[in-house]
Amino acid sequence: SQKIEQNSEALNIQEGKTATLTCNYTNYSPAYLQWYRQDPGRGPVFLLLIRENEKEKRKERLKVTFDTTLKQSLFHITASQPADSATYLCALVGNTGKLIFGQGTTLQVKP
Amino acid sequence: DAGITQSPRYKITETGRQVTLMCHQTWSHSYMFWYRQDLGHGLRLIYYSAAADITDKGEVPDGYVVSRSKTENFPLTLESATRSQTSVYFCASSQTNQSPPQHFGDGTRLSIL
Repeated sequence: SQKIEQNSEALNIQEGKTATLTCNYTNYSPAYLQWYRQDPGRGPVFLLLIRENEKEKRKERLKVTFDTTLKQSLFHITASQPADSATYLCALVGNTGKLIFGQGTTLQVKP
Repeated sequence: DAGITQSPRYKITETGRQVTLMCHQTWSHSYMFWYRQDLGHGLRLIYYSAAADITDKGEVPDGYVVSRSKTENFPLTLESATRSQTSVYFCASSQTNQSPPQHFGDGTRLSIL
């Protein structure tokens, strides 16, 4: 069956360090993958999209990689700040053509 | 400001009641979506709409009804609420097709007693 897996355990890091979040998928062949940020009590906010022919995408302190062989995307936040604390969701288009979301990983950046 | 507005933000109702969640977007996006978000499941698609008067089922449509008479509005109705429908409901829209990116409202937290 098709699955998207994100680490359900919260990731706790110290301010200034690089946070790395993982998104693994099985039985999909997505043309692109998206990352969203969700703050408590708010809806998800789109951050980045990476296509299958792109190895890496950057936006300010954010970097996303996409390895279609490993079926994995990594989401990096460099020089992390307490304001980066949130839940991060990965999403891809499933075989039905609908957007499928992972459960999200909560990041806590401590000052 | 342009965006997606969901109402109400919070709702408590009883089993068996009908309840309607409202969603309004000001972008004139063609596509609109309803998701529910539960612990352990992430976001799951309930229904979506490609345009006015065009709707289709998502992953978990049972017990829900949608309509889209106007491009900007996409209400979700629980015809006879059940406790299993207690959840946080998110409406989203996108410009051209089902995918990138989707813009979300801030959700309706629905509790069914």
